[in-house]
Amino acid sequence: AQSVAQPEDQVNVAEGNPLTVKCTYSVSGNPYLFWYVQYPNRGLQFLLKYITGDNLVKGSYGFEAEFNKSQTSFHLKKPSALVSDSALYFCAVKVNTGGFKTIFGAGTRLFVKA
Amino acid sequence: SQTIHQWPATLVQPVGSPLSLECTVEGTSNPNLYWYRQAAGRGLQLLFYSVGIGQISSEVPQNLSASRPQDRQFILSSKKLLLSDSGFYLCAWSVQAGRALEKLFFGSGTQLSVL
Repeated sequence: AQSVAQPEDQVNVAEGNPLTVKCTYSVSGNPYLFWYVQYPNRGLQFLLKYITGDNLVKGSYGFEAEFNKSQTSFHLKKPSALVSDSALYFCAVKVNTGGFKTIFGAGTRLFVKA
Repeated sequence: SQTIHQWPATLVQPVGSPLSLECTVEGTSNPNLYWYRQAAGRGLQLLFYSVGIGQISSEVPQNLSASRPQDRQFILSSKKLLLSDSGFYLCAWSVQAGRALEKLFFGSGTQLSVL
């Protein structure tokens, strides 16, 4: 079965420190990987995506993600966290089942402390 | 530019009552459309997706149904709500049915409480 796993329910980081939010995937064929962010009581917003090419993908708000095929991972990173980065982060993979649909991980809540 | 409208923002309904949530997209044609449910502020569960008018794929057996009467309109319905139907419902769209590369654009969500 095709799936996405986010092993951490919550990540706590001090402001100014680097942050990593982990994601691993299981798909058949080439993966199309995405990160989305959700602020309280809002819909999700797209951060970045990996389709092909450079394994390091840069996205919105200073975030980046590294695609690692051998480890089937797509971890989200930021060199210096801000308090305003505190939100719920979702890793997702797009799969083709006759029409493309997106499968989301369970989400990781990021807390950045001042 | 493209926009997605989802309403209502909040809804409180008694058990056994019907439900109709509506989602419309503007500024694009032939989008893929999706309904997701988010329980307890966490994971998203794909409920339905549609690649065209009248074409609905259901992901999980449940008390809900979806319809796409027009190209840019997606409706989530129930004849009789259950307590377990409570949650945050999100509509989303992506461009050009059949393409894998496109991101999802989400509506602002509907918080449904079934009492």
